[in-house]
Amino acid sequence: GNSVTQMEGPVTLSEEAFLTINCTYTATGYPSLFWYVQYPGEGLQLLLKATKADDKGSNKGFEATYRKETTSFHLEKGSVQVSDSAVYFCALSLSYSSASKIIFGSGTRLSIRP
Amino acid sequence: DAGVTQSPTHLIKTRGQQVTLRCSPKSGHDTVSWYQQALGQGPQFIFQYYEEEERQRGNFPDRFSGHQFPNYSSELNVNALLLGDSALYLCASSFYRIRNQPQHFGDGTRLSIL
Repeated sequence: GNSVTQMEGPVTLSEEAFLTINCTYTATGYPSLFWYVQYPGEGLQLLLKATKADDKGSNKGFEATYRKETTSFHLEKGSVQVSDSAVYFCALSLSYSSASKIIFGSGTRLSIRP
Repeated sequence: DAGVTQSPTHLIKTRGQQVTLRCSPKSGHDTVSWYQQALGQGPQFIFQYYEEEERQRGNFPDRFSGHQFPNYSSELNVNALLLGDSALYLCASSFYRIRNQPQHFGDGTRLSIL
C-alpha cells in the first residue's frame, strides 16, 4: 500500500545546528510529496512541496528534494532557530487534484535549544 | 481573508454519546476533508466532501458520517463514541478541480472521551 516513513523523534539540536529529518515513501504511481509543520496547539501548515522527481521544494530556509531512485524526500535546514521547534510531518498524495487525500507519516518532534 | 475555521475548539464526551464537529472552509474553496490525529501520530484521512457528496473515504467505520452544506461548510458526526475516538480532528479545505494548490488546515477540534 501507499505509506510514508519518517525518522522517529524527538530530535533535539542546538540553535544554528544543521537539520536533517529523513523521510521515505512507498507509493503506486507518481506521488506529490509534502512537508507539513505543526506548532503547539495549532493545525498543520504546508512547509514545502515537490510534485515530480528531482524537484526541490524550499521555504523559510528548509529544503527537500524529490528522489525517485531512493523514494526519499529528506528535510534539511542549514541553521535552525528556536522558533523552528515543532512537529514535522512528511506526506504524499497520489493525484494532482488539490483535493486528493493526503497520507501522512507519524511525525518528528523537533526541539531547538537556545 | 478567513482561513479554515473549526468549532468547537475542545469537547469532552462520554462513551456511547454522539458528537458533531463543524468546519467552515477557506473562502473560495469547495471541498472539505476530515482527518483524525491521535496523540503522537500523523493525521489519518476520514472522508472528503464535494458538491454535498462524500467523494472519498478512508478506513473508518460507519459510526463516522458527514455532511456538506450548500455554502461548502461541513459537519463530522461520530456516533456511539469509544475511548479510542479521543483525538484531534482536523478539517482541510481545497479546490476540487484545480491542480497543485495546497490544502489549508484548520486548528482542529480536540475531542476527549471519558
